[in-house]
Amino acid sequence: NAGVMQNPRHLVRRRGQEARLRCSPMKGHSHVYWYRQLPEEGLKFMVYLQKENIIDESGMPKERFSAEFPKEGPSILRIQQVVRGDSAAYFCASSPPGQGNTIYFGEGSWLTVV
Amino acid sequence: KQEVTQIPAALSVPEGENLVLNCSFTDSAIYNLQWFRQDPGKGLTSLLLIQSSQREQTSGRLNASLDKSSGRSTLYIAASQPGDSATYLCAVLVSGGSYIPTFGRGTSLIVHP
Repeated sequence: NAGVMQNPRHLVRRRGQEARLRCSPMKGHSHVYWYRQLPEEGLKFMVYLQKENIIDESGMPKERFSAEFPKEGPSILRIQQVVRGDSAAYFCASSPPGQGNTIYFGEGSWLTVV
Repeated sequence: KQEVTQIPAALSVPEGENLVLNCSFTDSAIYNLQWFRQDPGKGLTSLLLIQSSQREQTSGRLNASLDKSSGRSTLYIAASQPGDSATYLCAVLVSGGSYIPTFGRGTSLIVHP
């Protein structure tokens, strides 16, 4: 059973370009979480999704950021018109159906905006 | 809003010492608490999950305790080794709402030979 798979692991984008980060949850997991980690800071919650539904996006910036978790395929975190302040590590985590289960993290996607 | 604090922020110890890492949270109505380890440039690895009804969990040299009433959890590492060097994070899941884990900033641990 493969773990949570994130790609790309490293991504470089110029200011104004778009970044797309992908996350394939563990087999059988229907809950996906996205977190952002900045240097010397903790993990900040961005969005929580279940299949085809956004459950909580209270941590998402109001503009340029969007997320989806379609019925088929990976979850996508999309950042439009990237700025230097978007440079960070973006982590995806997944958990099985139900509440309060152990969550499992991917290895992260490191975005650098130049 | 749940706030999670981890003390100390950094710790450097010689090999063989027994360690205690602390995690405190402001809202005691939690569902569970999870401890993770993060190596530089890597994702988070789950170490222990304590449900709100439990007082402690053990895995090998690791023991995590939970005191909901005081809003605290401790991670005890016995006989530390250089391979234990990493950042340790705790995450708290609050009952009700949308069940989103809230993380502390972590304790950066260095165990030197």
